[in-house]
Amino acid sequence: AQKITQTQPGMFVQEKEAVTLDCTYDTSDPSYGLFWYKQPSSGEMIFLIYQGSYDQQNATEGRYSLNFQKARKSANLVISASQLGDSAMYFCAMRRNNYGQNFVFGPGTRLSVLP
Amino acid sequence: DTAVSQTPKYLVTQMGNDKSIKCEQNLGHDTMYWYKQDSKKFLKIMFSYNNKELIINETVPNRFSPKSPDKAHLNLHINSLELGDSAVYFCASSQDAGEFYEQYFGPGTRLTVT
Repeated sequence: AQKITQTQPGMFVQEKEAVTLDCTYDTSDPSYGLFWYKQPSSGEMIFLIYQGSYDQQNATEGRYSLNFQKARKSANLVISASQLGDSAMYFCAMRRNNYGQNFVFGPGTRLSVLP
Repeated sequence: DTAVSQTPKYLVTQMGNDKSIKCEQNLGHDTMYWYKQDSKKFLKIMFSYNNKELIINETVPNRFSPKSPDKAHLNLHINSLELGDSAVYFCASSQDAGEFYEQYFGPGTRLTVT
């Protein structure tokens, strides 16, 4: 069964610094997708970034980048130049490449950006 | 311009009642989902529909019944509500079920059962 682990329940970072949120996954499938979502205190879920298992390069989206290490089964999210608005819960998720397979979400990491 | 909308946003009801949550997406997506987020923020999928056809039905009580009148709508009906049903329920949609498309989430419905 697929599983997502986020070992950091809470993280603090100083404004304007970079921060890495850890995500490790467990799957025996050769093809899968990895996603990161942000959930601010207002409650909505916001898609941030996607990495495919066969992608050769790490995904980047603005200040977000994904440090993908396939052999280690890790897909860490890096946020550069943290802003106060980055304070939120961050969820790592995985989807297998089978029709109808669901997303599996990790338990989340609560990031607090300090002024 | 709301992509995925849910109504109501808040729902407070008593044990034993029956309630429904409605979801609509205007993205033209083929697949819609229902998730439950518990008090510890853990997200778990409940159902998934692709073109009005149920494709995922995780282990949820029979009291929960999804209904998809068309591919833009996926409603969730809950019978005989229990205290443990209190949670935030999210509707989501994605372009397809078979590829690695991201999911777009609705704003959530906070259900409180007293």
